Amino acid sequence: KQEVTQIPAALSVPEGENLVLNCSFTDSAIYNLQWFRQDPGKGLTSLLLIQSSQREQTSGRLNASLDKSSGRSTLYIAASQPGDSATYLCAVSGNTPLVFGKGTRLSVIA
Amino acid sequence: GAVVSQHPSWVICKSGTSVKIECRSLDFQATTMFWYRQFPKQSLMLMATSNEGSKATYEQGVEKDKFLINHASLTLSTLTVTSAHPEDSSFYICSAQEGMYEQYFGPGTRLTVT
Repeated sequence: KQEVTQIPAALSVPEGENLVLNCSFTDSAIYNLQWFRQDPGKGLTSLLLIQSSQREQTSGRLNASLDKSSGRSTLYIAASQPGDSATYLCAVSGNTPLVFGKGTRLSVIA
Repeated sequence: GAVVSQHPSWVICKSGTSVKIECRSLDFQATTMFWYRQFPKQSLMLMATSNEGSKATYEQGVEKDKFLINHASLTLSTLTVTSAHPEDSSFYICSAQEGMYEQYFGPGTRLTVT
């Protein structure tokens, strides 16, 4: 059974700092991995999707990497801003529908 | 990008009543739709997967007679919470997928059962 773990559970950083969120999964037989953002009481916003054959994807200040063999992904956020404050969820899809981690709650302090 | 809507965005109902939540794909045909439940500060847990025109597949521990799912068309799926109880209060999120492409998520429905 696929399990997804995200570390840390919560993170607080000052504005402008670069940061890394971690995601690990137990079954490396995945089709793709996605990073989502969720604001309090809201739905999900897809940030980046990495296919299993890819190693990384970039969008603006966000960069996500994937090491399928070791079951790890990182989300790098450059020059963090207060507007980046949200919960970041990692999810993997394989033979089963998307399996989500519990998320990392990020607070960027102005 | 693809848009998925949910209605209502929030609902309050009395214990013992039934509530229906709609999920619509607005600009694509969703061959598969998924229903998730999220408790406060927890992750999304998949409840069921539905394919258009066939019965939904429920995850272990999810009561199919309590959470009725209908995927009658390629753009609409409904989740009906029957005989709702306070422990059913949660955030329900649907997603829609065309073929094997990316899943697109709705904005969620906050259900409160009093």
